[in-house]
Amino acid sequence: DAKTTQPNSMESNEEEPVHLPCNHSTISGTDYIHWYRQLPSQGPEYVIHGLTSNVNNRMASLAIAEDRKSSTLILHRATLRDAAVYYCILRDVGGNEKLTFGTGTRLTIIP
Amino acid sequence: DTGVSQDPRHKITKRGQNVTFRCDPISEHNRLYWYRQTLGQGPEFLTYFQNEAQLEKSRLLSDRFSAERPKGSFSTLEIQRTEQGDSAMYLCASSFHRGSFSYNEQFFGPGTRLTVL
Repeated sequence: DAKTTQPNSMESNEEEPVHLPCNHSTISGTDYIHWYRQLPSQGPEYVIHGLTSNVNNRMASLAIAEDRKSSTLILHRATLRDAAVYYCILRDVGGNEKLTFGTGTRLTIIP
Repeated sequence: DTGVSQDPRHKITKRGQNVTFRCDPISEHNRLYWYRQTLGQGPEFLTYFQNEAQLEKSRLLSDRFSAERPKGSFSTLEIQRTEQGDSAMYLCASSFHRGSFSYNEQFFGPGTRLTVL
């Protein structure tokens, strides 16, 4: 699986936007970019995914660089409930089913 | 839909004992996955099933580990002769696979935390 690189930790103030970066310079043309997050004492949960175009859903937005070598997860207005470890994961469209997690970014929200 | 459930939530055992964990996926999800997570690390894939067939096993799944999904519904993960290095959170996830590849979000359970003394 292609590798992703994320900062170990980030902090953000409550009610402000958060931009979580991910580098994936070895991404292949058939890799989807996925984000999952893991709240304290819970299993991971899906956040968003995309291939080439920017994506929005009720939880977040995903901005994908034109060369696809990096992406940014955007939380538009962080709340205390968004404090979690965020994982950026590449999955091949060919159906490699397992999720390969790195160490992720631990996001701390400051009240 | 009550989500993915796992039992027990916590298990403390002595080294050398056998332990078994159960996972109940979301009903009608045909794929079921097991992951292991140690402190400070992301989850690591162990194995997955489509219905009752075990389709992939990680090299992490030593011969002391066995997983089953006998009727294509719930699954069990057994660890024989536990070692202290087996202490971890064991996570189960399920998804619905539609045949040809389409995105199938994985839904995770809360995990079973194993402590081997």
